[in-house]
Amino acid sequence: AQKITQTQPGMFVQEKEAVTLDCTYDTSDPSYGLFWYKQPSSGEMIFLIYQGSYDQQNATEGRYSLNFQKARKSANLVISASQLGDSAMYFCAMSNSSASKIIFGSGTRLSIRP
Amino acid sequence: NAGVTQTPKFQVLKTGQSMTLQCAQDMNHNSMYWYRQDPGMGLRLIYYSASEGTTDKGEVPNGYNVSRLNKREFSLRLESAAPSQTSVYFCASSEAGQVDGYTFGSGTRLTVV
Repeated sequence: AQKITQTQPGMFVQEKEAVTLDCTYDTSDPSYGLFWYKQPSSGEMIFLIYQGSYDQQNATEGRYSLNFQKARKSANLVISASQLGDSAMYFCAMSNSSASKIIFGSGTRLSIRP
Repeated sequence: NAGVTQTPKFQVLKTGQSMTLQCAQDMNHNSMYWYRQDPGMGLRLIYYSASEGTTDKGEVPNGYNVSRLNKREFSLRLESAAPSQTSVYFCASSEAGQVDGYTFGSGTRLTVV
């Protein structure tokens, strides 16, 4: 069975600092995908970044990068130069080999201080 | 705009009442999903439909039924609502192998009293 673990229920970070949100996963599938989503207080789910299990390089999307360490089964999200608008819940998620469904972690609430 | 549309956005039910949450997508995706999100928690998969005509149970299917009416529509039914089903319900759709994950609807906030 697949499992996603996010151990940081909440984090406070000063504006303009970088922040790392932790995510570890467990799966027996050799092929899988890892995602990060942002959920602002308005409630919608916003896709941020994707990493495939066979991708050699870490994924990057603007200020977001995914620090993928396959041997350690971790997929941490790094946000560079944080902004007030980054305050939100962040969810790590994983798809199975057939990409037929995604499971989510419990989330980390990130608060950016001005 | 293309996307996933959920109705209603808000609903209050009495214990024992039934209702159907509607979901429609216009992106021609094969797969559709229903999740629930409880306060302070992540999304948990209730049911999914990998393609038209098929449905499968997710992590928390008890108390729910689904219908994949056609490729566009995937409905979630609560036959006898219970307070434990108070939650925010999200519908989503995707294409297999889609690297930007799912497209989510805006959610239905359901309260069972």
